[in-house]
Amino acid sequence: NAGVTQTPKFQVLKTGQSMTLQCAQDMNHNSMYWYRQDPGMGLRLIYYSASEGTTDKGEVPNGYNVSRLNKREFSLRLESAAPSQTSVYFCASGRTGEVKVSGYTFGSGTRLTVV
Amino acid sequence: EDQVTQSPEALRLQEGESSSLNCSYTVSGLRGLFWYRQDPGKGPEFLFTLYSAGEEKEKERLKATLTKKESFLHITAPKPEDSATYLCAVQARIQGAQKLVFGQGTRLTINP
Repeated sequence: NAGVTQTPKFQVLKTGQSMTLQCAQDMNHNSMYWYRQDPGMGLRLIYYSASEGTTDKGEVPNGYNVSRLNKREFSLRLESAAPSQTSVYFCASGRTGEVKVSGYTFGSGTRLTVV
Repeated sequence: EDQVTQSPEALRLQEGESSSLNCSYTVSGLRGLFWYRQDPGKGPEFLFTLYSAGEEKEKERLKATLTKKESFLHITAPKPEDSATYLCAVQARIQGAQKLVFGQGTRLTINP
C-alpha cells in the first residue's frame, strides 16, 4: 500500500540550479496535482493533470514545469531555482469525473530550500 | 472568486474540552467538501468527504457537518493525540476542470 510516493524528501539548491521532483501513485487515479505549502499561505495549487497526457496551470505556476509521464507518474521541474521557491511541495492524486468524488491522497512531501 | 476560510487559526484546548472548527466557503459547482488532518512534517491525511447540506460523518471523536455555506468539525472530549492542523478543502469545477481549493487550516493543540 504505497499510495503516493515523492522523492526526494529533502533538497537544498543554490539559486539558479535546476531539479525535478518526482511523484508516483499506485492507486490507478486519473488526476494528479502538485501543491506548495508555505506558512500562512496554506496549500496552493501549482499544476495539475486531469488525465494522462494533459496538464494545466494552477494558482501559482510561474517558475515551474510539469510532465505527466504516464498514468502513474507526474514530475515537477524547477528550471532555475529562486529563494522564493523555498517551500514544502506535495504531490496528490485522486479520481475525478465521477458523480461523487473521492478524497485526494497526498504524498509525504519534499522540503526544498533554495539558498 | 472561489474561497475557503477556516477559523480560528489556532485553538488550544484542555484534554476532554469539546469544541468546533469552522470552514466557510464560497464556490460555485461544489462537488464535495473534504476535511484533512496534517501532522508536523507529514502530508495531509484524508478524514471525511461531505457532499450535500445536512450530511454528517463521524470518526472516533470527530464529527463533520455541512450546510450550504459552511462546515464544522466537532471534536468531542479530545485527547492530546488529536493535536494537529486540520485542513478544509472544497472540490469544484473551476475553468472547466475539477480542482481542490484549500483553507489555511486550524492548528489544534490539546493539552493533557
